[in-house]
Amino acid sequence: NAGVTQTPKFQVLKTGQSMTLQCAQDMNHNSMYWYRQDPGMGLRLIYYSASEGTTDKGEVPNGYNVSRLNKREFSLRLESAAPSQTSVYFCASSELVGRPNSYEQYFGPGTRLTVT
Amino acid sequence: DAKTTQPPSMDCAEGRAANLPCNHSTISGNEYVYWYRQIHSQGPQYIIHGLKNNETNEMASLIITEDRKSSTLILPHATLRDTAVYYCIVRVGWRDDKIIFGKGTRLHILP
Repeated sequence: NAGVTQTPKFQVLKTGQSMTLQCAQDMNHNSMYWYRQDPGMGLRLIYYSASEGTTDKGEVPNGYNVSRLNKREFSLRLESAAPSQTSVYFCASSELVGRPNSYEQYFGPGTRLTVT
Repeated sequence: DAKTTQPPSMDCAEGRAANLPCNHSTISGNEYVYWYRQIHSQGPQYIIHGLKNNETNEMASLIITEDRKSSTLILPHATLRDTAVYYCIVRVGWRDDKIIFGKGTRLHILP
């Protein structure tokens, strides 16, 4: 049971290049999230998906697209990377499990992205 | 905008109780208070959550005021490994929605 996995762990891009960050969870959770964390800052929500087939914008969605490929996988795409997108990207998943109204989120290890 | 307010940093001596405050004066009746922590550059880790009653688990205790406008996370016997950024968030308990993290409190445990 790996929990939430993210690939790649590190990536360096040049301005204007595109790439997709991959996230997968093996806990059968319905909800998945993408956050970014800039140095010394808290997490900011980019996009989330409450269930397979649905996605919604978070706080900072500009410059990103997402795909909820299936229940397990939620990818984040940068179409034309900019230096302002240099950050650590975290994927998370959650589900209503356990005692009522427990929505614990599980986070992946993060992808460290540098755009030069 | 984050719905919570936390002090940016706090210090606590090793072995003492660490009390981390959080203000959530606009909390709604159906919103729960959740606490997470982030150690170094790892992904955040769930600690505890509650609605209106005080809660305790193996990691911490959560004290919520009667008017629910503020809460306190208590780490009863802080160790150096508790050095982390602690986030207090509020979210609706019966459905999924945006989960907004603020900047959290950076807790330094002093040897």
